[in-house]
Order: sequence, then C-alpha cells, then structure tokens
Amino acid sequence: DTEVTQTPKHLVMGMTNKKSLKCEQHMGHRAMYWYKQKAKKPPELMFVYSYEKLSINESVPSRFSPECPNSSLLNLHLHALQPEDSALYLCASRGQGSGPRETQYFGPGTRLLVL
Amino acid sequence: DQQVKQNSPSLSVQEGRISILNCDYTNSMFDYFLWYKKYPAEGPTFLISISSIKDKNEDGRFTVFLNKSAKHLSLHIVPSQPGDSAVYFCAASNSGNTPLVFGKGTRLSVIA
Repeated sequence: DTEVTQTPKHLVMGMTNKKSLKCEQHMGHRAMYWYKQKAKKPPELMFVYSYEKLSINESVPSRFSPECPNSSLLNLHLHALQPEDSALYLCASRGQGSGPRETQYFGPGTRLLVL
Repeated sequence: DQQVKQNSPSLSVQEGRISILNCDYTNSMFDYFLWYKKYPAEGPTFLISISSIKDKNEDGRFTVFLNKSAKHLSLHIVPSQPGDSAVYFCAASNSGNTPLVFGKGTRLSVIA
C-alpha cells in the first residue's frame, strides 16, 4: 500500500476563516511533507517533518501552521489566508534510508480557493 | 541555481511511438532519481526511480536511463499511449534524506 490520503479534496474559504487540511499515511514513513503547487509549476516545498518534529520550514508565512500529531498524521492549519494562497496543497511521505526507501509518495492534494 | 533541469517544456508524440523525456542535474551528490507523472488538479504519481549504482531500470513500458558522467537521465515510454498525456517531473535526492529537488516538468501529449 503506497497510499497517502488527504482531506478535503476541495476547499473554499474567505480571508477571515480558519480551516485545516489533513493528511494520513500508513506506510510507516517517518518523513512527511507539505507542498504548494501552482498551475504549470513544480511542487514547492513548504514544511518537512521528520520523526514528528518539524525539520524544515521554507520561510512559509505564519498564516500556515503545520502540526504532526503522530507518525501517521499531518495537518496544515490555515488562518487569514490571501487570494494568492489559492493553489493545490500536496502532502507527501517518504521512508528513511537509501534507495527505494527514499521513494516519496504524494497524496491527491487539496485544491484551495481563497476568496 | 536550478539543480534539476528539464529543458523541454513540452513534447508531442504519435501514439505507438517512443516518448523520450530528458532531465539534467548539476549536483554530483544526487544519488537517487525519480520520475513522477501528474494530471491537472491531482497529486504527482510515482512512476519509476533509479539509484546511482545502476544505469538502467525498467518497469513495463517505462525505462529510465542514467548517465552519471553526463549528469543526465531520461525516461523512455514505449509504446506511448494517449493516457500517458500528462506533465512529467524529474526529481533527485541524496542519501542524506534531504528533500527532493524537482525539475520544472515536461508536458507530454500523445496524439492518437
């Protein structure tokens, strides 16, 4: 099973709303990621969690707040977003080690529209 | 500085023919390379990977070739099918479990 699930699939929110994106994997992967992807661009890394600890924050604005409650779950809390934050938000996970264990699997994404 | 480059933004191929997507990298520390396929509004799907100890890896219609001296890899799809039409991303990593570095993608159109 190489499945990463994400909910919701679509989200429309106003600039004053608070919402959360959820991600789950049961592959025993200890590295989990949030990416943002705009049309016709590669995924842009936002956060990396390694063993449930935040290891990389790519200078993401504080209106995005990640959380890793346990080794299978990853959340992204959203507050006071701007219309330019509208994008596809992707979660991914990867095993630790070398070779095939490094294969990173993506979820289907949450398409976010900020009005 | 772009460490992973896909210099062809788009490629059109006739159904049944071979599709060849290219990727170049500059960081000699990269030792694991992956190809992802992406449809619009969906997450990237892992296709095939190759470790730097190999020069070829094959999985069905998909073959990835690695030329370490040229820092070049390519994905061959044969025979190409209309369902292969998507954006293909090349990605690279090193054994330090650092985040993947992605190319900008190549849009493949397979024409029936």
